[in-house]
Amino acid sequence: RKEVEQDPGPFNVPEGATVAFNCTYSNSASQSFFWYRQDCRKEPKLLMSVYSSGNEDGRFTAQLNRASQYISLLIRDSKLSDSATYLCVVIVSGGYNKLIFGAGTRLAVHP
Amino acid sequence: EAGVAQSPRYKIIEKRQSVAFWCNPISGHATLYWYQQILGQGPKLLIQFQNNGVVDDSQLPKDRFSAERLKGVDSTLKIQPAKLEDSAVYLCASSQRQGISRWLYFGPGTRLTVT
Repeated sequence: RKEVEQDPGPFNVPEGATVAFNCTYSNSASQSFFWYRQDCRKEPKLLMSVYSSGNEDGRFTAQLNRASQYISLLIRDSKLSDSATYLCVVIVSGGYNKLIFGAGTRLAVHP
Repeated sequence: EAGVAQSPRYKIIEKRQSVAFWCNPISGHATLYWYQQILGQGPKLLIQFQNNGVVDDSQLPKDRFSAERLKGVDSTLKIQPAKLEDSAVYLCASSQRQGISRWLYFGPGTRLTVT
């Protein structure tokens, strides 16, 4: 079983739609969680952190459910420019902090 | 502020040849990471340095891959000899503080094709 699992998609949605991505993680020692965005043939860039209380940044909302070991990202009012791959990232604590990336979920927003 | 620099951006080699990639992190960043990203997959950590010491190299195929960060600044990743399955994008990243993702910055990557 992969340490971080995501639905690879693609999610094909029209502009203005609301879309949600899920991510599950297997290591209960995971302590920090993030969503990264990766455009085609570009490097990953931090989108937002994920907190148990949930957090919102404009059209983006991230949620964490520690009991179910589940992270979500909600995008409202999708724009064409939201088309990208969204990577779930988990930091596992130990002797040092280890970052583990999911395989990503691809989103394609069409007119 | 200058970002993470990597070179070359693209490389095509034949299997069994050798190749080296270079990374210069953001000034002042103590932690440096090399990731391998195969098409359709997420980045996989190959090696993590804290200053010039190795923190994690558990997923580095040590029979063919090596990396160094001699002065705690720039780093080199080498593959010798290359295999077809090494075709991937090699991403270098750096952070000011170890393991803190919100301060993790990636370079543009080196796209390696092994034929």
